[in-house]
Amino acid sequence: GENVEQHPSTLSVQEGDSAVIKCTYSDSASNYFPWYKQELGKRPQLIIDIRSNVGEKKDQRIAVTLNKTAKHFSLHITETQPEDSAVYFCAASKGSGSWGKLQFGAGTQVVVTP
Amino acid sequence: DSGVTQTPKHLITATGQRVTLRCSPRSGDLSVYWYQQSLDQGLQFLIQYYNGEERAKGNILERFSAQQFPDLHSELNLSSLELGDSALYFCASSVGRRTGGSTDTQYFGPGTRLTVL
Repeated sequence: GENVEQHPSTLSVQEGDSAVIKCTYSDSASNYFPWYKQELGKRPQLIIDIRSNVGEKKDQRIAVTLNKTAKHFSLHITETQPEDSAVYFCAASKGSGSWGKLQFGAGTQVVVTP
Repeated sequence: DSGVTQTPKHLITATGQRVTLRCSPRSGDLSVYWYQQSLDQGLQFLIQYYNGEERAKGNILERFSAQQFPDLHSELNLSSLELGDSALYFCASSVGRRTGGSTDTQYFGPGTRLTVL
């Protein structure tokens, strides 16, 4: 089955710097790659997702890149702020429409220090 | 707020007991997914229902079962509870297009924190 590896497990950045989290996946049939942000005790919240027909997607300070050949995708957060501190999960899924379960990475604890 | 609701928010029970967790998907969503989040296992997919029918199974124990009702809400039943079942249980929902495209976006509910003593 699909295996998703996520690095690093923890990331400490100064406010205003950039943060990058990388994930690799094993199943070349995967076609959907969402990123979720989870604050302590709260629900995973979708922050951005990318589908396999595009290589990059951006939403304000957040961007995701996808390299299908290398089977990896990355989350980029620019101009980090203290409220960006949370655990970030990447996930991968193959399938169509409702035929798709998410395989999650282990998560990255991001700490933004003022 | 994702539009997915889950009850109860917290549940404390004893080993050997049985509990039921409830999830109401976003309005119009046909698919419901259940995930378990524990400290050592991360977010693990348990089971998915689409319009009342089981669609996919993940790492779900035989002691666990689920169903989706005609009004599309779903219940996850956990029986013969063990200490290791203590975790956050999340429900997610998606539109559930029948064909085409890649996987639908999933939106998570607030979760139920289960503590087994």
